[in-house]
Amino acid sequence: GAVVSQHPSWVICKSGTSVKIECRSLDFQATTMFWYRQFPKQSLMLMATSNEGSKATYEQGVEKDKFLINHASLTLSTLTVTSAHPEDSSFYICSAKTGYNEQFFGPGTRLTVL
Amino acid sequence: QKEVEQDPGPLSVPEGAIVSLNCTYSNSAFQYFMWYRQYSRKGPELLMYTYSSGNKEDGRFTAQVDKSSKYISLFIRDSQPSDSATYLCAMSQGAQKLVFGQGTRLTINP
Repeated sequence: GAVVSQHPSWVICKSGTSVKIECRSLDFQATTMFWYRQFPKQSLMLMATSNEGSKATYEQGVEKDKFLINHASLTLSTLTVTSAHPEDSSFYICSAKTGYNEQFFGPGTRLTVL
Repeated sequence: QKEVEQDPGPLSVPEGAIVSLNCTYSNSAFQYFMWYRQYSRKGPELLMYTYSSGNKEDGRFTAQVDKSSKYISLFIRDSQPSDSATYLCAMSQGAQKLVFGQGTRLTINP
């Protein structure tokens, strides 16, 4: 299957700082990427849909000013958690959709906010 | 009622057993059906991808979709301890976002 990478895989930051997470499709171009959040022993919760060259579409209840998404190219989308707080600590996972409508996931980024 | 229902388990079976995982759904417009495997602290891995009704086989894995009953299944033959993971069903309507089941935690005992 297609490969999606995420960086970093694990980040610890202080409360009030911002953290940027990168998501890359390594062997295909993805016009659409997705960002999810997952709490322990729960399923994935879609945060936003990221389309190359346009504004992201956020799910209800997700603060767009807090979770900034940029999809600057067909292989890269970034999620910036601004002014992070301990309640933002979670496992963030991106996915990228192929032209055949398959969705491949990255390995995830574990964010811990102290 | 959730759009996609999946028994969260946990499900524990002996090595070599046939495992059956299932999901039901309510939206008849779903066309694309997927099964993902997720190990602890990792991203989901796409196992099976099916369009519309029918069966699809890949090695020890078989996916079935019955749109008339709004029911999908994943069968794992000759289960191995390495198959121990959480299995997520997911489906979508055309190019729309995926809707996931809750995930079933599976343990294969040696």
